[in-house]
Amino acid sequence: DGGITQSPKYLFRKEGQNVTLSCEQNLNHDAMYWYRQDPGQGLRLIYYSQIVNDFQKGDIAEGYSVSREKKESFPLTVTSAQKNPTAFYLCASSTVSWSGANVLTFGAGSRLTVL
Amino acid sequence: AQTVTQSQPEMSVQEAETVTLSCTYDTSESDYYLFWYKQPPSRQMILVIRQEAYKQQNATENRFSVNFQKAAKSFSLKISDSQLGDAAMYFCAYRSATRPNTGTASKLTFGTGTRLQVTL
Repeated sequence: DGGITQSPKYLFRKEGQNVTLSCEQNLNHDAMYWYRQDPGQGLRLIYYSQIVNDFQKGDIAEGYSVSREKKESFPLTVTSAQKNPTAFYLCASSTVSWSGANVLTFGAGSRLTVL
Repeated sequence: AQTVTQSQPEMSVQEAETVTLSCTYDTSESDYYLFWYKQPPSRQMILVIRQEAYKQQNATENRFSVNFQKAAKSFSLKISDSQLGDAAMYFCAYRSATRPNTGTASKLTFGTGTRLQVTL
């Protein structure tokens, strides 16, 4: 079945450590996104990529990094520079077309807890 | 920048009844898309319904319909014949309809969500 796979589902990290969240899609979508979800704040965009080897900062990119070496993969690294990394992270993908039918498909999410 | 406001943190509805979730947004653009997403306890975000701003007709998907008031910048979701499976967080979202190569075409701006409880 086509979809988005995020791993791990739960991750614990000590302060000062970098951690990488995986996101893989087999939907043949050109665009991929990372959102962060905190209680009472909805979803906020961290990074997005509309094509391989290119990505753009979202609204809260500080302390995060991404890469897009393959169309199917868009890993997110939470660095030690991120001051409050404990959150739920959602990866999404979409087509990119002028028709505007770029509906986002989401993965099941990864819960990161900093100890 | 666009903003999306959901003023109802929590709502409750009895099974088989109708409930309306509110959403307002602020934008200076004339062409855009609006969405309602559902996030059940599994936390998987699921698209409920989509509305194109250039269409005057309100979108409908089975028991879900919207009341889109462009001048008032309002986009409410009505759930009819509520079912226990409708219990979830509901997020309203906005997306500009600019061209993809501007780098902003597919970015969604979300509201803070409304938690819907469905009671027997």
